[in-house]
Amino acid sequence: GQQVMQIPQYQHVQEGEDFTTYCNSSTTLSNIQWYKQRPGGHPVFLIQLVKSGEVKKQKRLTFQFGEAKKNSSLHITATQTTDVGTYFCAGPTGNTGKLIFGQGTTLQVKP
Amino acid sequence: NAGVTQTPKFQVLKTGQSMTLQCAQDMNHEYMSWYRQDPGMGLRLIHYSVGAGITDQGEVPNGYNVSRSTTEDFPLRLLSAAPSQTSVYFCASSYSDNTEAFFGQGTRLTVV
Repeated sequence: GQQVMQIPQYQHVQEGEDFTTYCNSSTTLSNIQWYKQRPGGHPVFLIQLVKSGEVKKQKRLTFQFGEAKKNSSLHITATQTTDVGTYFCAGPTGNTGKLIFGQGTTLQVKP
Repeated sequence: NAGVTQTPKFQVLKTGQSMTLQCAQDMNHEYMSWYRQDPGMGLRLIHYSVGAGITDQGEVPNGYNVSRSTTEDFPLRLLSAAPSQTSVYFCASSYSDNTEAFFGQGTRLTVV
């Protein structure tokens, strides 16, 4: 079945450093979604990318969707302690209604 | 709006006991799903539903049953709990599979 892989699993950075997490799907995706989960919390939707090669920005966060619509990345510029959490990518499986998540990347930021 | 409400927040079961995790949403969403979250495994789909009366299996359905008699509710049943079912369970709902999913606060289940 469809698989969504994320790397790295963990990342420790010093506050102010940049951070990137990568997401790869075994199949072409109609869209990709990104979520953030704070420690002890639940996943919260960040953004959805739909078009091939699409790039979207939210303040210090930059999201990209690959040309082949099989990979995506999230880049955070100048991390802050408020960025701490686990970032997940997720993609739908065709028209089945299933949303499959990657394993997530857990970001720790040292002040 | 309350969004997605899960109950209980915490639960301890003995091996072999049964229980139902409740999930309700008030956004009139057709799509509802159950995920379990284990360290290093991300969010794995247990069961999902695309509307009342329609359910299907996800990636890890064994040991769990679901039903969807109304649009609002999507309970998850554990018929005979096992220690391997110790996890954090999240219910989610969405308007469609191409729109954002809203998650409940989660249920932390421990099976001893």
